[in-house]
Amino acid sequence: AQSVTQLDSHVSVSEGTPVLLRCNYSSSYSPSLFWYVQHPNKGLQLLLKYTSAATLVKGINGFEAEFKKSETSFHLTKPSAHMSDAAEYFCVVVYTGGFKTIFGAGTRLFVKA
Amino acid sequence: GAGVSQTPSNKVTEKGKYVELRCDPISGHTALYWYRQSLGQGPEFLIYFQGTGAADDSGLPNDRFFAVRPEGSVSTLKIQRTERGDSAVYLCASSPGGRGNTEAFFGQGTRLTVV
Repeated sequence: AQSVTQLDSHVSVSEGTPVLLRCNYSSSYSPSLFWYVQHPNKGLQLLLKYTSAATLVKGINGFEAEFKKSETSFHLTKPSAHMSDAAEYFCVVVYTGGFKTIFGAGTRLFVKA
Repeated sequence: GAGVSQTPSNKVTEKGKYVELRCDPISGHTALYWYRQSLGQGPEFLIYFQGTGAADDSGLPNDRFFAVRPEGSVSTLKIQRTERGDSAVYLCASSPGGRGNTEAFFGQGTRLTVV
């Protein structure tokens, strides 16, 4: 079955330290992969997407993610966390030829001063 | 409009009642999605429209749920005989493309509470 797993429900970092949010997807044909962010009382916003071009994808606000086919992973990283990064992050997969978007359960990022 | 608009923003209804949730996508977007997000979970796919037709409705949980998009723009999600378990935030998204590899733009959602 098609699925996406976000390995951490909560991640807590100090401001200025690196962020790593982990995502694994079930192996299938080459998927399209996305990271979305959801701030409280705001709609979901696209951070970045992978659609079979470069495996290292740069997004907004300094985030980037690397597609690793051998590991079926698409982890989200940022070198230095800001307080404004505190939010819920969702990894999303769409399998080639399909329309159905599959969301992970989400990772809540806390940033400490 | 500038973004995806969903109305109402909040809806409280009694168990057994019928509700309609409306989504106004971004003008010109041919693709439209509905999702349901329960507390503490990620959005769950319900249905996808390409134009007027439902290209994939495999996520609708049962026959109490139905969605239409008669003119290829505004969509309405209809829930009959509501149950307390239907309480959730219902999200709508639209995208310009016909495939899932294009960015989807989300509305703020409708929070449905069934009492």
